[in-house]
Amino acid sequence: GDSVTQMEGPVTLSEEAFLTINCTYTATGYPSLFWYVQYPGEGLQLLLKATKADDKGSNKGFEATYRKETTSFHLEKGSVQVSDSAVYFCALSQGYSSASKIIFGSGTRLSIRP
Amino acid sequence: DVKVTQSSRYLVKRTGEKVFLECVQDMDHENMFWYRQDPGLGLRLIYFSYDVKMKEKGDIPEGYSVSREKKERFSLILESASTNQTSMYLCASSFRRDTNTEAFFGQGTRLTVV
Repeated sequence: GDSVTQMEGPVTLSEEAFLTINCTYTATGYPSLFWYVQYPGEGLQLLLKATKADDKGSNKGFEATYRKETTSFHLEKGSVQVSDSAVYFCALSQGYSSASKIIFGSGTRLSIRP
Repeated sequence: DVKVTQSSRYLVKRTGEKVFLECVQDMDHENMFWYRQDPGLGLRLIYFSYDVKMKEKGDIPEGYSVSREKKERFSLILESASTNQTSMYLCASSFRRDTNTEAFFGQGTRLTVV
C-alpha cells in the first residue's frame, strides 16, 4: 500500500544552520505531497504542499520539490531559527474508492539551539 | 477562521470504561478522520468517514468504533478502554475527493487510561 518514509529524529541544529529533512514515498497514481508542522502542545498545521511533479512548495522560508523520478519530497530551509523547533511530518494524499485520505510519515523532531 | 474542535484537551479514564471523544468542524467538509499519535510511530489512521453515517476502517481500528450522525460531528468511541490506548488522539477534516487540499486538525486529546 501507499506509504511515507522520513528521516529519523531527533535532529538538533544551531541557529542559522541549513536544514534538510528527507522524505520519500511509495504510491500508485499521482498523489499530492505535504509537509505539516506540529508546534509543542498544538495540533498539526500545513506548512507547504505540492500537487504535481516538479512543483515546489514554499512557506516561511521552507521549501520542498516534488521529485517523481526519485519519489522524494525533501524539506529544506537555508537558515533555521529557534522558533522552528517542532515536529515535522511528511504526508501524501491519494484518492481511493470512497474518498481521498492522507497518509503520514513517522515525524521528525527538530530542535534548534540558540 | 476555520476550525476543528475536539471536546477535551486532557482526559483520564479507568480501564474498562467506555470513552467518547468528540470532534466538530465548521468547514462543511465531507471527510473526517481520527488519528492516533505515538512517539516514533507518527500518525496512524484509526477510522475515517466520507459522509454522514459512512465510515471506513483505517490501519488500527481494533478496540475503537466511530459515529457520524451529522456532517459536522465525528465521534471516536473506546468500547472498553485499556492502558495500551493511552495516547494522543487527533481529529482532522478535509474535502471528500479533492486530493490537493489540506486536512485541518484539532488540538488533540491526550488520553490516559489508568
